[in-house]
Amino acid sequence: GAVVSQHPSWVICKSGTSVKIECRSLDFQATTMFWYRQFPKQSLMLMATSNEGSKATYEQGVEKDKFLINHASLTLSTLTVTSAHPEDSSFYICSARAGGEDTQYFGPGTRLTVL
Amino acid sequence: QKEVEQDPGPLSVPEGAIVSLNCTYSNSAFQYFMWYRQYSRKGPELLMYTYSSGNKEDGRFTAQVDKSSKYISLFIRDSQPSDSATYLCAMSDGYNFNKFYFGSGTKLNVKP
Repeated sequence: GAVVSQHPSWVICKSGTSVKIECRSLDFQATTMFWYRQFPKQSLMLMATSNEGSKATYEQGVEKDKFLINHASLTLSTLTVTSAHPEDSSFYICSARAGGEDTQYFGPGTRLTVL
Repeated sequence: QKEVEQDPGPLSVPEGAIVSLNCTYSNSAFQYFMWYRQYSRKGPELLMYTYSSGNKEDGRFTAQVDKSSKYISLFIRDSQPSDSATYLCAMSDGYNFNKFYFGSGTKLNVKP
C-alpha cells in the first residue's frame, strides 16, 4: 500500500512555456501533499505544502506565482511551473501523507529539463 | 546549526559487510524517525519508521534511536550491491506532521 505516482516521469520543454506535473496517491487519501525540488547530489528542498481544498503554503524563497500548486482532491495534486526557464530544470518530487499518519510517501519524481 | 546532520559520504563497503548509517539532531522534541532509501533518479522509498527511543528490526535492516544522545542509526546486515543508494534520515516532532526535517543523505556504495 501507500503508493504515490507522478506524471510525467520526465519532460523537456522550451523556455517560456508552462509545464504541469501531476501527483496522485493511488491507494489512500492524502490530506496533505508536499512538493520538493532536488538538485544533483543534494538533498530534498521543500517547496510547498498543500492541503486538499486549501491554498498551498510555500516555503520562504519559493515564488508562488511561478510554481502553482493545486490540491483539488484527496488523491491529486498538481504543480505547474509557469514560464519555465533553464534554471528551473531540476528533479521535482511529490509526497503524500494520509490523515493521522506520521510519515510521508514519495512519488518517483519528475525530471524537468528546460531548453 | 542544521536541525538534522548527516554525513554525506560516500561510504564504500564490500558486499556482506554490516553498514552503519547515522544522523544527529538538535531538537529534543523530535519523536518520529524515518529512514528513506533513494536510488539515483528515483523518489525516496520509506524503509523504516520508529517512534521514540529503541530499536526496530525489519529483515536485514535495524533502526535505532537514542533520544538521550539525539542520535539515530540504520544498520544494514549482509549488505548487497542492490543496497547501493542514498539513505536519508527524516524526523518530526509529532505535533505538526506537516513539518519534516531531512538529513542531507549518505551515499552508500556496496562493492561486489
